[in-house]
Amino acid sequence: DSGVTQTPKHLITATGQRVTLRCSPRSGDLSVYWYQQSLDQGLQFLIQYYNGEERAKGNILERFSAQQFPDLHSELNLSSLELGDSALYFCASSVPEGTGELFFGEGSRLTVL
Amino acid sequence: EDQVTQSPEALRLQEGESSSLNCSYTVSGLRGLFWYRQDPGKGPEFLFTLYSAGEEKEKERLKATLTKKESFLHITAPKPEDSATYLCAVLNFGNEKLTFGTGTRLTIIP
Repeated sequence: DSGVTQTPKHLITATGQRVTLRCSPRSGDLSVYWYQQSLDQGLQFLIQYYNGEERAKGNILERFSAQQFPDLHSELNLSSLELGDSALYFCASSVPEGTGELFFGEGSRLTVL
Repeated sequence: EDQVTQSPEALRLQEGESSSLNCSYTVSGLRGLFWYRQDPGKGPEFLFTLYSAGEEKEKERLKATLTKKESFLHITAPKPEDSATYLCAVLNFGNEKLTFGTGTRLTIIP
């Protein structure tokens, strides 16, 4: 158990809909990262927050947004969903910034029909 | 842009048969190279960090090594519980983005 909690574990929805994925980092970790993992592209970095502030942005679509709240939990919002958004979405956390030693949650599997 | 290429894509070994996984990388300024293990349906689990060429790290049957262009994950006398996908990633001095390879799916046959 990494200490990172993600909900929901599974989500099935239709094209055009909007969903919210939630992540609680390990106790004491200030950085939260979101990654997307699909079969053909591997793990793709989406966005990083540190203590409530956006720190780095990767290949995140404009239809996606995220935030980190004062209690350090984070939410990833996916809107106008398309079939190609079906993937595993992972949240990870770390204490400091600028580290590659991340603790990953078990992921949220999104299926868009 | 940082690039990480892992080979082979998949590897099947008999229990006890040692081998190596390769990770080739291109990065403008390497802050660190990282190895992770991922079991099916689970999130990646951190294994090693390597910072400079010549560095080696060991954990049980795994040893990671680093050169200026690639890293190897050597697995010695593997057991079925070592079956997993092994991911390599690099971190650039210029940004906070950890760039992953697509992994090597390792299967150890009893």
